[in-house]
Amino acid sequence: AQSVTQLGSHVSVSEGALVLLRCNYSSSVPPYLFWYVQYPNQGLQLLLKYTTGATLVKGINGFEAEFKKSETSFHLTKPSAHMSDAAEYFCAVSLANAGGTSYGKLTFGQGTILTVHP
Amino acid sequence: ETGVTQTPRHLVMGMTNKKSLKCEQHLGHNAMYWYKQSAKKPLELMFVYSLEERVENNSVPSRFSPECPNSSHLFLHLHTLQPEDSALYLCASSQRWGGGNEQFFGPGTRLTVL
Repeated sequence: AQSVTQLGSHVSVSEGALVLLRCNYSSSVPPYLFWYVQYPNQGLQLLLKYTTGATLVKGINGFEAEFKKSETSFHLTKPSAHMSDAAEYFCAVSLANAGGTSYGKLTFGQGTILTVHP
Repeated sequence: ETGVTQTPRHLVMGMTNKKSLKCEQHLGHNAMYWYKQSAKKPLELMFVYSLEERVENNSVPSRFSPECPNSSHLFLHLHTLQPEDSALYLCASSQRWGGGNEQFFGPGTRLTVL
């Protein structure tokens, strides 16, 4: 089984400041890890994902995340926040091996609402 | 139309009504999903269809009934719902069902049960 914990349901930053959204996961096998963003009245959009290989993953809109196996973390960062980054962000995990009824499904964290102040 | 579309975008229904939510994907994917998104709770996976066969049913009450007539369309039939069923219902699709496959989401249907 797998689970995801997002630390902080709300994060507030100033425009131009560093964005750091925290995600920790638990998984019994190597995980696939995802960050999704949801703007108001819209569905979720994939920002980036980690499957295998390089542990630093770059995504859209200047976001990146680093898979740290020893810390079971996959924190999302952006060097300089824009007003347009204000949204809700979801970390998700799925198991790496296909097969079995529970494999392949995404388990989501509770979400972090990012507010960006001028 | 591109991506994943959902209709209607908003729905208000009484507890004795019967209604259906529709999802259509224009991406040529083989797997489709229904999620429930409630305030202050994580997204809950309800159903998964892979190649039109239901492969996951997460203990969803029988008042929710999915239907997948082909790989492009997914329905969620609703009947005798409860007020606690009010939520945003999201449809998603992916190339295949399995870990690592990116899911593409529709905009959701905001359901209110009176």
